Parts: sequence; C-alpha cells; structure tokens
Amino acid sequence: SQKIEQNSEALNIQEGKTATLTCNYTNYSPAYLQWYRQDPGRGPVFLLLIRENEKEKRKERLKVTFDTTLKQSLFHITASQPADSATYLCALATGGYNKLIFGAGTRLAVHP
Amino acid sequence: DGGITQSPKYLFRKEGQNVTLSCEQNLNHDAMYWYRQDPGQGLRLIYYSQIVNDFQKGDIAEGYSVSREKKESFPLTVTSAQKNPTAFYLCASRAGGPDTQYFGPGTRLTVL
Repeated sequence: SQKIEQNSEALNIQEGKTATLTCNYTNYSPAYLQWYRQDPGRGPVFLLLIRENEKEKRKERLKVTFDTTLKQSLFHITASQPADSATYLCALATGGYNKLIFGAGTRLAVHP
Repeated sequence: DGGITQSPKYLFRKEGQNVTLSCEQNLNHDAMYWYRQDPGQGLRLIYYSQIVNDFQKGDIAEGYSVSREKKESFPLTVTSAQKNPTAFYLCASRAGGPDTQYFGPGTRLTVL
C-alpha cells in the first residue's frame, strides 16, 4: 500500500543548530514533493516545492533534498530560531497535479 | 486582500444534525479542496473540485457532500451519516499545474 512517513516524535533542538526533518514514502512515484508549515489551530502554509528531477532546493535558511532512489526527502532549517517551532508536513503529488497526499507531520521545537 | 476564508472558526453540532462549512476564495483559483485533520494524522482528502460544477470524491467522502456552483465557493456539508465528524476541517485552493495549495484558517467541528 502507499505510505508516507514522517518522524512521529517531536524534534527538540537548540537555537542556532540545524534542524533536519525526514519524509519517506513507499509505492509512489511522485512528480514533485512539497513542504508545509502548520502552526497550532491554523492552516498549513507552503514553504518549498521540489520536482523529481531536482536534487536540492533552497530558500533563505531552508533546504530540501529529494532522492527518488531512496524515496526520501530531507528538510533542513539552518540557524534555527524559536520562531521556527511548528509542525512541518511533507506532501506528495499524485494523480497528476490534482491531488496531494500528506504525511502526519513532525513537530519541531527550537529552544533558546 | 486576496485569500481563502472559512467560517465559522468553531462549530458545535448535535448528533443527527447536518451542518455546512463555508469556504470562499478570491484568488481566482480553479481547483478547491476539503481536508479533514485528526490529531496525529495527516490531512485526509474529502472532496476536490477542479472546475465549477464538477467535483470528485477523495479518500474519505462517505458522510460528506459538496457543491461548486461558483468559482469562489466550495461549501462542505457534514451529514448525519458521518459517524465520527469531530475534527479540524481545512479548505484549500490551487491555481493550476504543479502549484501550491493555499489553505484557509480551518473550522473546528465538535459533535456534542
């Protein structure tokens, strides 16, 4: 069956360090993958999109990698700040562009 | 301001009652989506619509109904047939192609 897995346990890191979140998937061949940020009680907000033919994408302190052989994406936040504390969701495109399948998300807590 | 709005923010329903959640967007997006989010789970797709007067079932459509009479509006009705309706409901829209989804602030539905 198709499955998307993100670290279920919260990730706790110290301010200034790099946070690395993992998204693994099975039985998909996604055309692209997206990462979203969700704060408690609010809707997700788009962060980055990476296509199947791209290995890496950067935006300010954010970096995403996409390894279609390993069926894995890594999401990095460098020089993390307490304001980065949130739940981060990965989502795969399936059925062309029409639908996204979301992982359960990983909660990140950055401590001062 | 362009955006996507959902109302109400909190909704309480007695068992056996139907209830309608509102979703409006002024982004001129063709596609709209309804998701359900339960604690510790990813977003699950209820219904989606790629164009006015057309919509498709998602993964968990049973007990829900939608309409798409206008481009800007995609209301979701939670019927009494939905056995466990208490959840956080999110509406989203997408312009087209491999584009991001823009989410509303969500409606938290509680069945009393």
